[in-house]
Amino acid sequence: GENVEQHPSTLSVQEGDSAVIKCTYSDSASNYFPWYKQELGKRPQLIIDIRSNVGEKKDQRIAVTLNKTAKHFSLHITETQPEDSAVYFCAATNYNQGGKLIFGQGTELSVKP
Amino acid sequence: GAVVSQHPSWVICKSGTSVKIECRSLDFQATTMFWYRQFPKQSLMLMATSNEGSKATYEQGVEKDKFLINHASLTLSTLTVTSAHPEDSSFYICSPRADTQYFGPGTRLTVL
Repeated sequence: GENVEQHPSTLSVQEGDSAVIKCTYSDSASNYFPWYKQELGKRPQLIIDIRSNVGEKKDQRIAVTLNKTAKHFSLHITETQPEDSAVYFCAATNYNQGGKLIFGQGTELSVKP
Repeated sequence: GAVVSQHPSWVICKSGTSVKIECRSLDFQATTMFWYRQFPKQSLMLMATSNEGSKATYEQGVEKDKFLINHASLTLSTLTVTSAHPEDSSFYICSPRADTQYFGPGTRLTVL
């Protein structure tokens, strides 16, 4: 089955700097890759997603890139702000085979003012 | 995106009791609902997949007799934790299968 590895587990940046979180997946049939932001005690919130027919997607300060050949995808946050501090999770799934999400281990991002 | 509600948002119970968690899809018909569990400072792990009108499928290591899932309608799926023990204390979250995956607000279960 699918396995998703996420790095780093913790990331500390200064406000205004960029943050990059990387994930690798094992199942080449996976075709949907969402990213979630989770604040303490709350549900994961979808912040951006990408499908396998696209190599890059951007939404304001957030971007995701996908390399299907290498089976890895990355989250890029530019001009970080203290409110970006949270735990971020990547996930992967194959919608043709049920659509259940397999999550990475999470990255705790801390943005220092 | 999909609007999902869960009830209760938190529950504290004594060891040995059963707890029912409801997950409602408010703005579309969910033929499939995913149930996840998240222990403190850990990632989300899929427990089971419920399908409307049929039996749920459970992930490896999840006891189907302990975590009873019912998906009686296209808008309601329930998870019952039977004979709960302290090790079942966790954050339980549902997510209807859709083109874009959103999550319910979660239920925090604490078993004393």
